[in-house]
Amino acid sequence: DTGVSQDPRHKITKRGQNVTFRCDPISEHNRLYWYRQTLGQGPEFLTYFQNEAQLEKSRLLSDRFSAERPKGSFSTLEIQRTEQGDSAMYLCASSLGGQGDLQPQHFGDGTRLSIL
Amino acid sequence: SQQGEEDPQALSIQEGENATMNCSYKTSINNLQWYRQNSGRGLVHLILIRSNEREKHSGRLRVTLDTSKKSSSLLITASRAADTASYFCATDAIKLSFGAGTTVTVRA
Repeated sequence: DTGVSQDPRHKITKRGQNVTFRCDPISEHNRLYWYRQTLGQGPEFLTYFQNEAQLEKSRLLSDRFSAERPKGSFSTLEIQRTEQGDSAMYLCASSLGGQGDLQPQHFGDGTRLSIL
Repeated sequence: SQQGEEDPQALSIQEGENATMNCSYKTSINNLQWYRQNSGRGLVHLILIRSNEREKHSGRLRVTLDTSKKSSSLLITASRAADTASYFCATDAIKLSFGAGTTVTVRA
């Protein structure tokens, strides 16, 4: 169990640029989640996948955001035309789904995005 | 929107003391979970309590759940410097809904 891995750890970019983050879940986990956390707040749910299927998207996920999990393993989160308000920590988590939904989510250490 | 709300926002205690924090939530739940987050790191799952349970223990952690009051508490006994972190309650097993957390500082 190597844990959930996120890359990069930090990303600084200019407003209007596109950014892409990667998440590698724990290998046997079929569910993968993305959350966003701003300073002083708890994480907010963005979207989740079961295998390669994206099952739910939060209203927080505007049209500028897209997430993929093409082979049911790693996932990418892309933000197009970044805005100041996108500055946050983006957290990825994974879990075993279908176990009565009582399996804990395992989080990565996040990607901190700063928009200049 | 955030479902859970933790109280207090911040807590400072001496090493060896107990730390208690509370969580209130708005709608009925199937289970409630507590997570810890060290500064700059991801969240670590601590304990899950089901809606039909009233109390659960794990090491130095004790969690209670009162569904009639829609509240839960987390007690950390004999605190250590390594317990310094933010603590969050979360509802819903899939789309976790977190409060703003309680920041605990344990002074040596």
